[in-house]
Amino acid sequence: QKEVEQDPGPLSVPEGAIVSLNCTYSNSAFQYFMWYRQYSRKGPELLMYTYSSGNKEDGRFTAQVDKSSKYISLFIRDSQPSDSATYLCATNTGTASKLTFGTGTRLQVTL
Amino acid sequence: GAVVSQHPSWVICKSGTSVKIECRSLDFQATTMFWYRQFPKQSLMLMATSNEGSKATYEQGVEKDKFLINHASLTLSTLTVTSAHPEDSSFYICSARGFGTMGYQETQYFGPGTRLLVL
Repeated sequence: QKEVEQDPGPLSVPEGAIVSLNCTYSNSAFQYFMWYRQYSRKGPELLMYTYSSGNKEDGRFTAQVDKSSKYISLFIRDSQPSDSATYLCATNTGTASKLTFGTGTRLQVTL
Repeated sequence: GAVVSQHPSWVICKSGTSVKIECRSLDFQATTMFWYRQFPKQSLMLMATSNEGSKATYEQGVEKDKFLINHASLTLSTLTVTSAHPEDSSFYICSARGFGTMGYQETQYFGPGTRLLVL
Protein backbone atom coordinates (compact mmCIF):
# COMPACT_ATOMS: atom_id res chain seq x y z
CA GLN A 1 0.00 0.00 0.00
CA LYS A 2 1.33 3.41 -0.94
CA GLU A 3 1.69 5.98 1.82
CA VAL A 4 -0.38 8.46 -0.18
CA GLU A 5 -3.19 7.29 -2.45
CA GLN A 6 -4.64 9.48 -5.16
CA ASP A 7 -7.02 8.61 -7.98
CA PRO A 8 -5.10 9.19 -11.23
CA GLY A 9 -8.20 10.12 -13.20
CA PRO A 10 -8.54 11.48 -15.78
CA LEU A 11 -11.32 13.65 -14.44
CA SER A 12 -13.29 15.61 -17.02
CA VAL A 13 -15.65 18.40 -16.00
CA PRO A 14 -17.44 21.20 -17.84
CA GLU A 15 -16.33 24.79 -17.41
CA GLY A 16 -17.84 26.35 -14.30
CA ALA A 17 -18.16 23.10 -12.38
CA ILE A 18 -16.90 22.55 -8.87
CA VAL A 19 -14.00 20.10 -8.84
CA SER A 20 -13.14 17.87 -5.91
CA LEU A 21 -9.72 16.25 -5.79
CA ASN A 22 -8.83 13.89 -2.99
CA CYS A 23 -5.99 12.00 -1.36
CA THR A 24 -5.78 9.60 1.52
CA TYR A 25 -2.69 8.83 3.53
CA SER A 26 -1.70 6.12 5.94
CA ASN A 27 1.10 7.61 8.03
CA SER A 28 -0.23 9.52 11.02
CA ALA A 29 3.15 11.25 11.32
CA PHE A 30 2.39 13.36 8.26
CA GLN A 31 1.79 16.90 9.47
CA TYR A 32 2.07 19.23 6.49
CA PHE A 33 -0.04 18.96 3.37
CA MET A 34 0.42 20.60 0.00
CA TRP A 35 -1.29 20.70 -3.34
CA TYR A 36 0.76 21.28 -6.45
CA ARG A 37 -0.48 21.92 -9.97
CA GLN A 38 1.60 20.62 -12.85
CA TYR A 39 0.98 21.58 -16.44
CA SER A 40 2.25 19.25 -19.15
CA ARG A 41 6.02 19.40 -19.53
CA LYS A 42 6.38 21.87 -16.65
CA GLY A 43 7.50 21.70 -13.05
CA PRO A 44 4.93 21.54 -10.22
CA GLU A 45 3.61 24.83 -8.89
CA LEU A 46 2.63 25.17 -5.24
CA LEU A 47 -1.07 25.96 -4.90
CA MET A 48 -1.96 25.37 -1.29
CA TYR A 49 -0.15 24.59 1.94
CA THR A 50 -1.95 23.50 5.09
CA TYR A 51 -0.95 22.25 8.49
CA SER A 52 -3.94 21.87 10.72
CA SER A 53 -7.23 20.12 10.14
CA GLY A 54 -9.89 22.31 8.62
CA ASN A 55 -10.30 24.45 5.54
CA LYS A 56 -8.02 26.97 3.91
CA GLU A 57 -9.25 29.15 1.09
CA ASP A 58 -7.33 31.06 -1.57
CA GLY A 59 -9.43 32.52 -4.35
CA ARG A 60 -11.20 29.72 -6.19
CA PHE A 61 -9.21 27.05 -4.34
CA THR A 62 -10.06 25.50 -0.98
CA ALA A 63 -7.85 22.93 0.71
CA GLN A 64 -9.38 20.71 3.34
CA VAL A 65 -7.57 18.46 5.79
CA ASP A 66 -9.16 15.87 8.05
CA LYS A 67 -6.39 14.32 10.11
CA SER A 68 -8.76 12.04 11.99
CA SER A 69 -9.67 10.21 8.79
CA LYS A 70 -6.34 10.91 7.03
CA TYR A 71 -8.10 12.56 4.13
CA ILE A 72 -7.17 15.69 2.22
CA SER A 73 -9.09 17.47 -0.49
CA LEU A 74 -8.73 20.31 -2.93
CA PHE A 75 -11.84 22.03 -4.22
CA ILE A 76 -11.81 24.25 -7.28
CA ARG A 77 -14.80 26.54 -7.76
CA ASP A 78 -15.88 27.93 -11.12
CA SER A 79 -13.38 25.72 -12.93
CA GLN A 80 -11.76 27.13 -16.05
CA PRO A 81 -10.09 25.46 -19.04
CA SER A 82 -6.82 26.91 -17.73
CA ASP A 83 -7.23 24.68 -14.66
CA SER A 84 -6.63 21.65 -16.89
CA ALA A 85 -3.51 20.09 -15.43
CA THR A 86 -2.32 17.33 -13.15
CA TYR A 87 -2.86 17.99 -9.46
CA LEU A 88 -0.46 16.39 -7.00
CA CYS A 89 -1.04 16.12 -3.31
CA ALA A 90 2.08 15.97 -1.15
CA THR A 91 2.84 15.63 2.51
CA ASN A 92 5.71 15.38 4.93
CA THR A 93 6.37 14.84 8.61
CA GLY A 94 8.21 18.11 9.10
CA THR A 95 9.24 21.15 7.10
CA ALA A 96 12.76 19.75 6.74
CA SER A 97 11.73 16.27 5.65
CA LYS A 98 11.24 15.03 2.11
CA LEU A 99 7.87 15.12 0.43
CA THR A 100 5.74 12.08 -0.25
CA PHE A 101 3.59 12.56 -3.32
CA GLY A 102 0.37 11.09 -4.55
CA THR A 103 0.36 9.82 -8.11
CA GLY A 104 -1.45 12.93 -9.33
CA THR A 105 -4.94 13.42 -10.78
CA ARG A 106 -5.29 14.60 -14.35
CA LEU A 107 -8.04 17.18 -14.66
CA GLN A 108 -9.59 18.29 -17.93
CA VAL A 109 -11.98 21.25 -17.90
CA THR A 110 -13.96 21.40 -21.12
CA LEU A 111 -15.70 24.35 -22.75
CA GLY B 1 8.75 35.18 -4.61
CA ALA B 2 10.30 31.68 -4.33
CA VAL B 3 11.29 31.29 -7.97
CA VAL B 4 13.45 28.38 -9.07
CA SER B 5 15.03 28.17 -12.49
CA GLN B 6 16.61 25.27 -14.36
CA HIS B 7 18.99 25.26 -17.28
CA PRO B 8 18.84 23.93 -19.87
CA SER B 9 15.13 23.36 -20.37
CA TRP B 10 15.81 20.53 -22.77
CA VAL B 11 18.86 18.71 -24.05
CA ILE B 12 19.52 16.05 -26.64
CA CYS B 13 22.80 14.20 -26.44
CA LYS B 14 24.55 11.13 -27.78
CA SER B 15 24.89 8.00 -25.70
CA GLY B 16 28.05 8.07 -23.59
CA THR B 17 28.23 11.82 -23.11
CA SER B 18 27.74 13.65 -19.83
CA VAL B 19 25.07 16.26 -19.27
CA LYS B 20 24.99 18.94 -16.59
CA ILE B 21 21.74 20.49 -15.37
CA GLU B 22 21.71 23.61 -13.22
CA CYS B 23 19.12 24.51 -10.61
CA ARG B 24 19.02 28.01 -9.16
CA SER B 25 16.89 29.65 -6.51
CA LEU B 26 16.51 33.17 -7.87
CA ASP B 27 15.07 35.18 -5.00
CA PHE B 28 15.81 33.13 -1.91
CA GLN B 29 18.58 31.09 -0.39
CA ALA B 30 18.14 27.36 -0.25
CA THR B 31 20.25 25.28 2.07
CA THR B 32 18.53 22.19 0.70
CA MET B 33 17.67 21.31 -2.88
CA PHE B 34 16.11 18.15 -4.21
CA TRP B 35 16.40 16.35 -7.53
CA TYR B 36 13.55 14.36 -9.01
CA ARG B 37 12.92 12.50 -12.22
CA GLN B 38 9.53 11.97 -13.74
CA PHE B 39 8.45 9.52 -16.41
CA PRO B 40 5.41 10.23 -18.60
CA LYS B 41 2.13 10.13 -16.71
CA GLN B 42 3.86 9.21 -13.48
CA SER B 43 4.49 11.08 -10.29
CA LEU B 44 7.79 12.54 -9.21
CA MET B 45 10.47 10.18 -8.00
CA LEU B 46 12.98 11.65 -5.57
CA MET B 47 16.53 10.91 -6.61
CA ALA B 48 18.59 12.77 -4.03
CA THR B 49 18.65 15.48 -1.41
CA SER B 50 21.38 18.05 -1.74
CA ASN B 51 22.60 20.17 1.16
CA GLU B 52 24.83 23.16 0.59
CA GLY B 53 28.43 22.37 1.32
CA SER B 54 27.98 18.68 1.97
CA LYS B 55 27.53 15.44 0.06
CA ALA B 56 24.16 14.62 -1.39
CA THR B 57 21.98 11.90 0.07
CA TYR B 58 20.76 9.51 -2.57
CA GLU B 59 17.57 7.50 -2.51
CA GLN B 60 17.75 3.74 -2.64
CA GLY B 61 18.42 2.47 -6.13
CA VAL B 62 19.88 5.72 -7.45
CA GLU B 63 23.51 5.39 -8.55
CA LYS B 64 25.51 8.19 -7.00
CA ASP B 65 28.37 7.72 -9.47
CA LYS B 66 25.93 8.01 -12.33
CA PHE B 67 24.11 11.09 -11.06
CA LEU B 68 26.64 13.50 -9.61
CA ILE B 69 25.21 16.29 -7.50
CA ASN B 70 27.01 19.41 -6.39
CA HIS B 71 25.53 22.11 -4.18
CA ALA B 72 28.31 24.64 -3.95
CA SER B 73 26.29 27.69 -2.96
CA LEU B 74 23.02 28.62 -1.33
CA THR B 75 21.45 29.35 -4.70
CA LEU B 76 22.91 26.74 -7.05
CA SER B 77 22.84 22.97 -7.30
CA THR B 78 23.93 20.95 -10.31
CA LEU B 79 23.08 17.44 -11.46
CA THR B 80 25.47 15.76 -13.87
CA VAL B 81 24.29 12.65 -15.66
CA THR B 82 27.53 10.86 -16.47
CA SER B 83 27.89 8.60 -19.50
CA ALA B 84 24.24 9.03 -20.33
CA HIS B 85 22.35 6.18 -21.99
CA PRO B 86 18.90 6.08 -23.60
CA GLU B 87 17.35 4.71 -20.40
CA ASP B 88 18.40 7.95 -18.67
CA SER B 89 16.04 9.88 -20.92
CA SER B 90 13.51 11.50 -18.64
CA PHE B 91 12.18 14.75 -17.22
CA TYR B 92 14.45 15.98 -14.42
CA ILE B 93 13.03 18.47 -11.95
CA CYS B 94 14.75 20.21 -9.07
CA SER B 95 13.20 21.88 -6.07
CA ALA B 96 14.57 24.22 -3.46
CA ARG B 97 13.37 24.44 0.08
CA GLY B 98 12.61 27.92 1.28
CA PHE B 99 10.02 30.40 2.48
CA GLY B 100 7.66 31.80 -0.09
CA THR B 101 5.90 35.13 0.00
CA MET B 102 2.49 33.63 0.72
CA GLY B 103 3.07 33.30 4.46
CA TYR B 104 3.74 29.58 4.28
CA GLN B 105 6.19 27.75 6.38
CA GLU B 106 9.30 26.45 4.70
CA THR B 107 8.42 24.12 1.85
CA GLN B 108 9.64 23.05 -1.57
CA TYR B 109 9.43 25.20 -4.68
CA PHE B 110 10.02 23.51 -8.00
CA GLY B 111 11.92 24.45 -11.10
CA PRO B 112 10.39 24.16 -14.59
CA GLY B 113 12.19 20.91 -15.35
CA THR B 114 14.76 19.71 -17.88
CA ARG B 115 13.84 17.25 -20.55
CA LEU B 116 16.74 14.95 -21.41
CA LEU B 117 16.77 12.77 -24.51
CA VAL B 118 19.71 10.44 -24.99
CA LEU B 119 20.09 9.03 -28.48
